[in-house]
Amino acid sequence: AAGVIQSPRHLIKEKRETATLKCYPIPRHDTVYWYQQGPGQDPQFLISFYEKMQSDKGSIPDRFSAQQFSDYHSELNMSSLELGDSALYFCASSLGDAGQASYNEQFFGPGTRLTVL
Amino acid sequence: GQSLEQPSEVTAVEGAIVQINCTYQTSGFYGLSWYQQHDGGAPTFLSYNALDGLEETGRFSSFLSRSDSYGYLLLQELQMKDSASYFCAVRDRGTGRRALTFGSGTRLQVQP
Repeated sequence: AAGVIQSPRHLIKEKRETATLKCYPIPRHDTVYWYQQGPGQDPQFLISFYEKMQSDKGSIPDRFSAQQFSDYHSELNMSSLELGDSALYFCASSLGDAGQASYNEQFFGPGTRLTVL
Repeated sequence: GQSLEQPSEVTAVEGAIVQINCTYQTSGFYGLSWYQQHDGGAPTFLSYNALDGLEETGRFSSFLSRSDSYGYLLLQELQMKDSASYFCAVRDRGTGRRALTFGSGTRLQVQP
């Protein structure tokens, strides 16, 4: 079965540089989420899209932005990178085919490990 | 908002049974989910409880008591591959947000 695809898997950047992370959700899933996970931390919600429209915002810094395109892939754009942005970034997707309960089962991609030097 | 509490670490031996507890506070409640995450890997959905009681899926079971704002994940016949972090998670019914809020995670170490 198709899974969530993320690219790149690893990314090394310098401070103040920009980075773009890509996510391809599972086909027909209607919601895409971005989470950030620091070392030894739990995943923190950044932003989500429902049917290509931004639906919720979490603790996403103003330096970050995201969008979902017509083909349903999503990109997380990160500017003015800081050392503290070093983390695993996960994209997840879900389908509300059984109503609200379905959103509790989210399918995570393998993540992008971002290292800011 | 929401907050969840779970133990930081649990150690058990192969073949044993372990229970990971989770207490939560939410402004609304869509149910309690459990995710497993191996080091360097992605969170993987294990189970979801919307109603009180026990849900069983193979060696893993999950329990919920909404009146106590409490749930647990029960892992039976532990195997070495079960060594991982386990997160409980909720959604905020108050905002209708689909995103998950995770607990801080319980690191399970299974020893031979």
